[in-house]
Amino acid sequence: AQSVAQPEDQVNVAEGNPLTVKCTYSVSGNPYLFWYVQYPNRGLQFLLKYITGDNLVKGSYGFEAEFNKSQTSFHLKKPSALVSDSALYFCAASYGSSNTGKLIFGQGTTLQVKP
Amino acid sequence: DTGVSQDPRHKITKRGQNVTFRCDPISEHNRLYWYRQTLGQGPEFLTYFQNEAQLEKSRLLSDRFSAERPKGSFSTLEIQRTEQGDSAMYLCASSLGTSGRSLNEQFFGPGTRLTVL
Repeated sequence: AQSVAQPEDQVNVAEGNPLTVKCTYSVSGNPYLFWYVQYPNRGLQFLLKYITGDNLVKGSYGFEAEFNKSQTSFHLKKPSALVSDSALYFCAASYGSSNTGKLIFGQGTTLQVKP
Repeated sequence: DTGVSQDPRHKITKRGQNVTFRCDPISEHNRLYWYRQTLGQGPEFLTYFQNEAQLEKSRLLSDRFSAERPKGSFSTLEIQRTEQGDSAMYLCASSLGTSGRSLNEQFFGPGTRLTVL
């Protein structure tokens, strides 16, 4: 079965420190991988995506993610966390030759950045 | 605001009633998706339209659920004979379809929160 896993329900970091939010996937074929962020009372916002090419993908708000095919991972990173980064983060994958774009989401990781 | 909009934002209904939600995608987007999100979980795919054609439905979408996109623009999701287990956030997303080895990101609406009493 196709799946996306985010092994940490919550990640706590201090402002200014680097952050990592983990994601692993299990999908058939070549995956398309995404990160979204959800702020309270707001819709999911796109951060970045991996389709093909360079394994390090840069996205919005200083976030980046590294695609690792051998470890089937797509961890989200940021060199220096801000308090305003505190939110719920979702990793998602799409797959299949038909390229419908339907997404499989992880269960989400709450990022808490403390001053 | 040129983003994805959903109406209503909140709906409270009694078990057994029918409800209908509307989604207005970004105007130039030909793909439209419906997802359901329950507390503490990520969104789960329900169905997908390309233009007016409904091309895929999840097994989560029982026969009480129906979705339409009559003119390839806005979409409606109807739930008949609602059950308490239908309580969730219903999310709509749209994207611009592509061909070949590429995939555009989906833009999500704010969601409709359904509570079935």
